[in-house]
Amino acid sequence: AQSVTQLDSQVPVFEEAPVELRCNYSSSVSVYLFWYVQYPNQGLQLLLKYLSGSTLVKGINGFEAEFNKSQTSFHLRKPSVHISDTAEYFCAVRPMNTGFQKLVFGTGTRLLVSP
Amino acid sequence: DGGITQSPKYLFRKEGQNVTLSCEQNLNHDAMYWYRQDPGQGLRLIYYSQIVNDFQKGDIAEGYSVSREKKESFPLTVTSAQKNPTAFYLCASMGPTRDPPYEQYFGPGTRLTVT
Repeated sequence: AQSVTQLDSQVPVFEEAPVELRCNYSSSVSVYLFWYVQYPNQGLQLLLKYLSGSTLVKGINGFEAEFNKSQTSFHLRKPSVHISDTAEYFCAVRPMNTGFQKLVFGTGTRLLVSP
Repeated sequence: DGGITQSPKYLFRKEGQNVTLSCEQNLNHDAMYWYRQDPGQGLRLIYYSQIVNDFQKGDIAEGYSVSREKKESFPLTVTSAQKNPTAFYLCASMGPTRDPPYEQYFGPGTRLTVT
């Protein structure tokens, strides 16, 4: 079975400051990893994903994430946040190379950007 | 444009009434999912379907029912047996298990309020 931990339920940050949202996972098999963003009263939108290859992946809106297999982490970063980045962010995993069709989500991190 | 539609965006019902939430996709995906979202609890899987005429219970199926008569459609019925139905409901779909892009696609959600 897989599990995803997002330790920070809420991260306050000032506009133009850097931010890191942490994600750790547990799995006995290799996994694909995803970050989604959810704006208020909307569905989830894919920010970025790691499937294979380079461990640093770039996504939309200036976000990037780094896969660290030894630490089983997939932290999300942005060097300079905007007010419009205020949203909830979800990390998710899915086992590789199987018929398993479910994603396992973390509980989410609310990013609050203030002026 | 391909995507997932959920209707209505907001739904109000009296306690004791069944209500059906609509989910339609034109992505030609086999797998479809229903999640419930409550503040601070992330996404919880209600039901999922991997193919037409087949579906499985998720983590919180009690008080809910689904059908999958067509590939494009996966309606969710919230029955009067659901003790706390007020929540934000998200529908999602996913493509072939062993082929890219591997992520789930989400609809815009339906906010159900039961009084």
